[in-house]
Amino acid sequence: AQSVTQPDIHITVSEGASLELRCNYSYGATPYLFWYVQSPGQGLQLLLKYFSGDTLVQGIKGFEAEFKRSQSSFNLRKPSVHWSDAAEYFCAVVPPGGGATNKLIFGTGTLLAVQP
Amino acid sequence: DTEVTQTPKHLVMGMTNKKSLKCEQHMGHRAMYWYKQKAKKPPELMFVYSYEKLSINESVPSRFSPECPNSSLLNLHLHALQPEDSALYLCASSQFEKLFFGSGTQLSVL
Repeated sequence: AQSVTQPDIHITVSEGASLELRCNYSYGATPYLFWYVQSPGQGLQLLLKYFSGDTLVQGIKGFEAEFKRSQSSFNLRKPSVHWSDAAEYFCAVVPPGGGATNKLIFGTGTLLAVQP
Repeated sequence: DTEVTQTPKHLVMGMTNKKSLKCEQHMGHRAMYWYKQKAKKPPELMFVYSYEKLSINESVPSRFSPECPNSSLLNLHLHALQPEDSALYLCASSQFEKLFFGSGTQLSVL
């Protein structure tokens, strides 16, 4: 079945530590890939996106993600986490062949907690 | 202007009420979306408008009625809602494959 999976429901890291959030997708062709962040009760902010080309993508707030076709993955990383990074992180895809409208499908999310 | 503005931010309504959620963007985007997000869950697509025409309806109950009066505005009319419809309702607009989200309307149905 076509899907986007985030295996980690909840992750806790210490401030200043590195971070990696996992995302896997299951589609016949490579979809468009996104990472969004959501603070409690707020909308979603786009961190970065991958459509094609360079497999290491730089985003806002010091985040980056690496697309690995062989693993059907698009993991989000940050070398040094700040307390303000505590939020819910969603991996999302626009399935291939979506047409003019973009049916953005979200993973289940990973809640990031940051310890002082 | 790179914002999607949603009003109201919070709404409490009874099951017999009629209310509307509003969404506005001035980025010239021709696709607009409504998503519903329950607590601790990912957003779920409800409706998509493309060039002011409804292009996707994800089998949403008829008590939710979308409207796109012009290219900048998107409304969601609510009538006879159920308590389980309480959620954060997010509006978005898109340019190509990049969606911009509003901050949402937190709806409580009593």
